[in-house]
Amino acid sequence: NAGVTQTPKFQVLKTGQSMTLQCAQDMNHEYMSWYRQDPGMGLRLIHYSVGAGITDQGEVPNGYNVSRSTTEDFPLRLLSAAPSQTSVYFCASTRQGSSGELFFGEGSRLTVL
Amino acid sequence: AQSVTQLGSHVSVSEGALVLLRCNYSSSVPPYLFWYVQYPNQGLQLLLKYTSAATLVKGINGFEAEFKKSETSFHLTKPSAHMSDAAEYFCAVNQGGSQGNLIFGKGTKLSVKP
Repeated sequence: NAGVTQTPKFQVLKTGQSMTLQCAQDMNHEYMSWYRQDPGMGLRLIHYSVGAGITDQGEVPNGYNVSRSTTEDFPLRLLSAAPSQTSVYFCASTRQGSSGELFFGEGSRLTVL
Repeated sequence: AQSVTQLGSHVSVSEGALVLLRCNYSSSVPPYLFWYVQYPNQGLQLLLKYTSAATLVKGINGFEAEFKKSETSFHLTKPSAHMSDAAEYFCAVNQGGSQGNLIFGKGTKLSVKP
């Protein structure tokens, strides 16, 4: 039972480079989201989606793009990486109509030099 | 706007001692509340959740939390700490509705001394 799968687990980028963090879930959850975790800051919501074709911004969306072409996948794109985007990124999902309990992936650690 | 405050970024207890991690929330509507645990280099795992069914909620690994509306609190407790409880703990509140937009506290790192 895979749950929420994130790739890659580790990535080092140079300033200005682009990359995509992949997220896939096999639980048929309608809702998916991306958080970033920084020391002393907890988790902050970047973008979320309530279904295929629908995305919206969270608390810290600048510098990130998302799309949701299928129920299963919710990639996070960094178009021009900046050192301030050095963080651990978590993808999460839940079923619409639930209490909102999130199921998390194991995280992707990104370093921007 | 909803918010979550966790008092104490770092709590240290001795093995066998009571664990108390504090969480206060602000919400204009009855909230759903959660405690998550994160072990080093891992994702977040649900410990327990409050969804208005019962004010005292029992979770995994012997943890429990009590919802106190009058105090807007949802403190996490465990009667006897174990070395394996060393981790970071996050309190979170649901913004309301069916969406999963959780607002997280900044986290409390629990250390357990032998």
